[in-house]
Amino acid sequence: NAGVTQTPKFQVLKTGQSMTLQCAQDMNHEYMSWYRQDPGMGLRLIHYSVGAGITDQGEVPNGYNVSRSTTEDFPLRLLSAAPSQTSVYFCASSSPQRGENSPLHFGNGTRLTVT
Amino acid sequence: DAKTTQPPSMDCAEGRAANLPCNHSTISGNEYVYWYRQIHSQGPQYIIHGLKNNETNEMASLIITEDRKSSTLILPHATLRDTAVYYCIVRLPSRYSGGSNYKLTFGKGTLLTVNP
Repeated sequence: NAGVTQTPKFQVLKTGQSMTLQCAQDMNHEYMSWYRQDPGMGLRLIHYSVGAGITDQGEVPNGYNVSRSTTEDFPLRLLSAAPSQTSVYFCASSSPQRGENSPLHFGNGTRLTVT
Repeated sequence: DAKTTQPPSMDCAEGRAANLPCNHSTISGNEYVYWYRQIHSQGPQYIIHGLKNNETNEMASLIITEDRKSSTLILPHATLRDTAVYYCIVRLPSRYSGGSNYKLTFGKGTLLTVNP
């Protein structure tokens, strides 16, 4: 099983550029989410989705958009990149309907630098 | 939402037990305690979770106090590969039915360094 796959692994953007971070999972999980991780800050929830067509904001949603058109994919869009968005981004999924305590499965991250 | 408090760092000798504490004094009756770890440059990895009883799996043991205000993750025989940041998390309630572990909030965790 591939699990949770994130692409690209590394990305450098200039301020104002846009891009999409891709996240795909092959476990038929209903729930998917995006976190960002900054030095000394732990992981902070950006957006999450409880199923296709449903998304909601997390702790730090500003500057990011998401959509969930399929169960498998949950892309994260930066419309106008800013240096403050330099971070490591993690995508995660789980299947609460298979058990209320179904753990989160994480991808290996996308390391984004905005100059 | 219950919050957790963990020491920022701990050391452990290889082969010895590593005991990682976590305080969650505001935990509510239906909230579970989860532990994840993150090895450098990788995504977080689930370890174990529990409600009120002690739990054990192939990776670790989880001891939860009777009043549920604190817990301890035990790695019985730590190895160098266990060097990682360990996160103690209390599950937040969700406004959707069908599962309530959606919005896991990660703090800063404990950096466990296993020394040879």
